[in-house]
Amino acid sequence: GNSVTQMEGPVTLSEEAFLTINCTYTATGYPSLFWYVQYPGEGLQLLLKATKADDKGSNKGFEATYRKETTSFHLEKGSVQVSDSAVYFCALIKPTGNQFYFGTGTSLTVIP
Amino acid sequence: DVKVTQSSRYLVKRTGEKVFLECVQDMDHENMFWYRQDPGLGLRLIYFSYDVKMKEKGDIPEGYSVSREKKERFSLILESASTNQTSMYLCASRDRDRSYQETQYFGPGTRLLVL
Repeated sequence: GNSVTQMEGPVTLSEEAFLTINCTYTATGYPSLFWYVQYPGEGLQLLLKATKADDKGSNKGFEATYRKETTSFHLEKGSVQVSDSAVYFCALIKPTGNQFYFGTGTSLTVIP
Repeated sequence: DVKVTQSSRYLVKRTGEKVFLECVQDMDHENMFWYRQDPGLGLRLIYFSYDVKMKEKGDIPEGYSVSREKKERFSLILESASTNQTSMYLCASRDRDRSYQETQYFGPGTRLLVL
């Protein structure tokens, strides 16, 4: 079946530290891959996406590369800020489907 | 900008009550979704609708029903609320006719407490 596995949280980092949140997926074919962010008290919003192998999605200093050989889509940021504190969700959708499959979310706290 | 609104941000209900959660989107999207979000479990799909009066069960439909009488509105109904339905409920919408790469747009969520 289709599934997404994210690294367990919570993650706590100091400001300006490097961030990696691991995400691997299971799906047949060529899904599209997404990272969503949920700030406290809000719904999810799209952070970035990639739609084919070797694509790199990027936004607000975050990046993730679609690696088909390792079925991964790890989220990275070179220097985190306090304002990046949120819950991050990895997700996939298959070309022929309507349903998104979400990981369990990774909570990030950035301390000054 | 796409806007998805949910009728309440916080709701407190008693066990056995019938609960209605309303979601409205303003972008003429065909697809609408209801999820619940629980710590450690992420988002789980309850129901989705791909057109007016059309619905499909998601991964956890038990104890829930839905209604889609108008394209912009998708309602989640808890027929008889139970304490294990205490959760955050998120509505989302998506344009069916655009590329499958298109994202979902989420509402702000309703945090429901069942006592």
